[in-house]
Amino acid sequence: GENVEQHPSTLSVQEGDSAVIKCTYSDSASNYFPWYKQELGKRPQLIIDIRSNVGEKKDQRIAVTLNKTAKHFSLHITETQPEDSAVYFCAASIRGKTSYDKVIFGPGTSLSVIP
Amino acid sequence: KAGVTQTPRYLIKTRGQQVTLSCSPISGHRSVSWYQQTPGQGLQFLFEYFSETQRNKGNFPGRFSGRQFSNSRSEMNVSTLELGDSALYLCASSLLRQGTYNEQFFGPGTRLTVL
Repeated sequence: GENVEQHPSTLSVQEGDSAVIKCTYSDSASNYFPWYKQELGKRPQLIIDIRSNVGEKKDQRIAVTLNKTAKHFSLHITETQPEDSAVYFCAASIRGKTSYDKVIFGPGTSLSVIP
Repeated sequence: KAGVTQTPRYLIKTRGQQVTLSCSPISGHRSVSWYQQTPGQGLQFLFEYFSETQRNKGNFPGRFSGRQFSNSRSEMNVSTLELGDSALYLCASSLLRQGTYNEQFFGPGTRLTVL
């Protein structure tokens, strides 16, 4: 069945450094890749997403890259700040003609930014 | 617009009992997905409903079921509860317009504890 792997499971960085989280997916039909951030005790919220016809997307300090051939996609956070500390989930989804949603999430990465 | 709401927020049950959780999506959203979140397992997809029809189902036993009403509100039922069912149950709604990639908006979750 569909599977999304995510590494690392935990990540600690110094404030100001960069953080990179990597994901791989199994279903080559996946064409939509959102990233969610879940702060402690809060609900997951979408922070950025990328579609299969795009190789890279940036939004201020965060960027995502996608390699469809290798079935890899990554989240890059630059100039990390303490408020970036959270659990980050990558996900893969197939959007087809029927427009149904089946989003498969990775297991999550707990990011700690040390002041 | 009001966000996704879930009731109850907390629930304590004993093994063998059954439980029903409720989710009210954002007004106008017709797709509702359910996830089980446990430490170390991330977000596990349970099922997705659209227009009162279950269109996708994850790898959970038949004790987990759901339904969606004509107003898009959804319920999830777990019968014969087991200790391992203790988790945070999240629902997410999306607009799901044809041909677009839709952000999922999560509710606050229902924390289920099985004793």
